[in-house]
Amino acid sequence: QKEVEQDPGPLSVPEGAIVSLNCTYSNSAFQYFMWYRQYSRKGPELLMYTYSSGNKEDGRFTAQVDKSSKYISLFIRDSQPSDSATYLCAMGGGTSYGKLTFGQGTILTVHP
Amino acid sequence: DAMVIQNPRYQVTQFGKPVTLSCSQTLNHNVMYWYQQKSSQAPKLLFHYYDKDFNNEADTPDNFQSRRPNTSFCFLDIRSPGLGDAAMYLCATSRGPSRGSHEQFFGPGTRLTVL
Repeated sequence: QKEVEQDPGPLSVPEGAIVSLNCTYSNSAFQYFMWYRQYSRKGPELLMYTYSSGNKEDGRFTAQVDKSSKYISLFIRDSQPSDSATYLCAMGGGTSYGKLTFGQGTILTVHP
Repeated sequence: DAMVIQNPRYQVTQFGKPVTLSCSQTLNHNVMYWYQQKSSQAPKLLFHYYDKDFNNEADTPDNFQSRRPNTSFCFLDIRSPGLGDAAMYLCATSRGPSRGSHEQFFGPGTRLTVL
């Protein structure tokens, strides 16, 4: 069993839709959680960082963490074609050097 | 702008011919990481430097080595590349947990092709 499970999709939505991306994890040592956006042939770009259960909002993006269920989500409101990318969840905890464990990534396409 | 820079962006090498990938950062971060990412897969951590301290992940092949001559630069050396080493190589930096920071910031990556 992988430590982090993420549905690879692909996910295709119309412009303006609300997108929900999810990851589950099995390692109770994970204490902080991130979402990265990766455009094709580019490096991952940090979108959201959180370390507590609950919601964190930044513009059109909301990150949600439920540590009791070991489940995290990223919501994108009013999705735009420019949001088309691969979204990677990442999490860490329990190491002295900040090791992150990544999900496989979900491919998202927002069509006009 | 503070950033993580990787050179070259694209590298083609021959089977068994050593290759070196470069990463530099202007963020003055303490930790530098190297990841390997194959198509449609999660980035896989190869090793990291926490200041001058080097640490391998347990499953990183001996074929992969790294050097960090100073705070700003880190190199990934692949001694004898095989076809299975073709991938995107990502460099990332972080201030580090000892400074209360876990966020990692990535460079654009180097795409390695092995012929």
